[in-house]
Amino acid sequence: DTEVTQTPKHLVMGMTNKKSLKCEQHMGHRAMYWYKQKAKKPPELMFVYSYEKLSINESVPSRFSPECPNSSLLNLHLHALQPEDSALYLCASSQDQRGRNNEQFFGPGTRLTVL
Amino acid sequence: AQSVTQLGSHVSVSEGALVLLRCNYSSSVPPYLFWYVQYPNQGLQLLLKYTSAATLVKGINGFEAEFKKSETSFHLTKPSAHMSDAAEYFCAVSEDTGFQKLVFGTGTRLLVSP
Repeated sequence: DTEVTQTPKHLVMGMTNKKSLKCEQHMGHRAMYWYKQKAKKPPELMFVYSYEKLSINESVPSRFSPECPNSSLLNLHLHALQPEDSALYLCASSQDQRGRNNEQFFGPGTRLTVL
Repeated sequence: AQSVTQLGSHVSVSEGALVLLRCNYSSSVPPYLFWYVQYPNQGLQLLLKYTSAATLVKGINGFEAEFKKSETSFHLTKPSAHMSDAAEYFCAVSEDTGFQKLVFGTGTRLLVSP
């Protein structure tokens, strides 16, 4: 199984809502990533988890809260978002966080719209 | 810091024509380079990667790329375009600053006309 799955595919939420994005992989990878992608732009790294510990937080606002319950799951909790947070949120995984030749496998993304 | 530059935000070709998507990199260490493709409303899929084993890298869907150190380039080519190749293509370089970080170019949209 070389697939990263993400749910939901689409999410519309108000600025006062709390919601979560979910990501799952069964490739035995120990590194998982959250990216944000605005229209017509490349993905921007938000968080990196390695061995279920948060390795990198790329100065992301606290209204985004990542969680890694186990090595296969990665969540992104959303609270009090702003309309400018509307974007495609991509999850990815790789064998390890070290090693520049690691291939990152991407999920299909969650299209988030904040009203 | 490492970076990649993709020349041309849009490239248009006819079906059956040669595809050439340009990528130049800047790196103070031997680079690890990747090409990803993104179809509309989908995630990114790896086409191929350069990790110093061979300068000509063959990928999926008939794509290949040649690493040229003298030109700091890693251009993506396909001899004959197919309608299904229409997508956004991203070149990326891998940094290791304690963890692997992909630095993406701005992307090139490939348009294929009948």
